[in-house]
This record gives sequence, C-alpha cells and structure tokens, in this order.
Amino acid sequence: DMKVTQMPRYLIKRMGENVLLECGQDMSHETMYWYRQDPGLGLQLIYISYDVDSNSEGDIPKGYRVSRKKREHFSLILDSAKTNQTSVYFCASSFSRDWGSGEQYFGPGTRLTVL
Amino acid sequence: GDSVTQTEGPVTVSESESLIINCTYSATSIAYPNLFWYVRYPGEGLQLLLKVITAGQKGSSRGFEATYNKETTSFHLQKASVQESDSAVYYCALGDQDYNQGKLIFGQGTKLSIKP
Repeated sequence: DMKVTQMPRYLIKRMGENVLLECGQDMSHETMYWYRQDPGLGLQLIYISYDVDSNSEGDIPKGYRVSRKKREHFSLILDSAKTNQTSVYFCASSFSRDWGSGEQYFGPGTRLTVL
Repeated sequence: GDSVTQTEGPVTVSESESLIINCTYSATSIAYPNLFWYVRYPGEGLQLLLKVITAGQKGSSRGFEATYNKETTSFHLQKASVQESDSAVYYCALGDQDYNQGKLIFGQGTKLSIKP
C-alpha cells in the first residue's frame, strides 16, 4: 500500500521549544522532501534528501534541520521554534527515476502552531 | 525567477457547471518546463492529477483537462461538468525536464467548493 505518513498531525508548541516532525514512506523511495505552506503562498521546499545521510538545502532551510538515518524515515527538526514557523508542513517522497515526471507522493500534512 | 501563479481562491461552482482554474508560469531559468496539476482532497496529501511535458500537448484525468501553452505561459485546468466529489484544493506546479534534481515549484493552491 503506497503511503506517506506524518506524525503528529497537529502540534502546538511554545516559542523556544524544540519540535520534531516525523515522516515515513513504505515505497522505498530514495528521494524525500519537506515543504511548508503558508496562507496565500505555494509549497516552499525546506530540505530535500536524496538518500540516507544525503541531504540538501531547499529554498528556505534557515531555522530547520533534517535527519535521514533510514531510507523510509525523514525527520524535520526545529531547534528553538519561532512564531513565524507556524505553518502546515508536508512531507513527500519520490523515486529518483521519476524526477522528470514530477510524481511525488505526499503525506497529509502537520499543522504546527508556535505560540 | 521561476514562479507559478494561479486563480485566487476560494472558488465556488454549482454541481454540473463548468470550471476553469487559471495557472500561469514564469520559467526564466528552465529551458524545458514540465507542468503539473496536483489535487489535495480533505484530510489527504497532495496527489498528481495530470501532467504535460511537451508544449502544445493536452493532459487529462478524471474529466479534467489542461493544455500546455508556451506562447501564453499558461496551463489552465478545465472541467466541463463538476461533481461534488471535486471539492478539493488544486495546485499548479512547474518542473525542469532536464535538470531538476526532483524539485517542483508550486502555485499557492486554489480551494474549490462545489454546491450541490
């Protein structure tokens, strides 16, 4: 069953707290992504991972870091969260052979609120 | 820079009426753009609805169509007769056929509601 899962689905944190968002996929995709979406804006790429321990900054990496120790798991970490990191975060995955086809598989999103 | 702009939502259409969601793109650093429409149903992740990688071609899926127009840099999504199950958020996206390293550029999404 081809699926991308995200945990948690909803999260409320206070400014300065650490945040861990987790993503899993069961398709053995090499490539995984973290995006955020704010109202009125498109999905913005935070980080892309090409395989285990092969991570690359996206367009808005500041304030975030990632970890990929297994092909099926990709974590997004916010050290000392800020209020402007309140957003909806999407994880996605794809085969590298499908980059040109644009086929990415997305999780349902995590709504993070930083107070 | 490269960007995608689409119809500002929310959009409400009556069931069985026609629909068009506009999408225009700017691909200043992409020699051969690929164009995509994704859809996100309530509670689910985005999923690829249709794609076109050659200018002048049309893509279709689930009754939706979109034509890649290089002259007007547009990729509008159309459907002749919408159903209540089409209520979702629709995203237009731009990719690079030659050198993309898996990256897509997304529009802001258009929330579509269908009135029964």
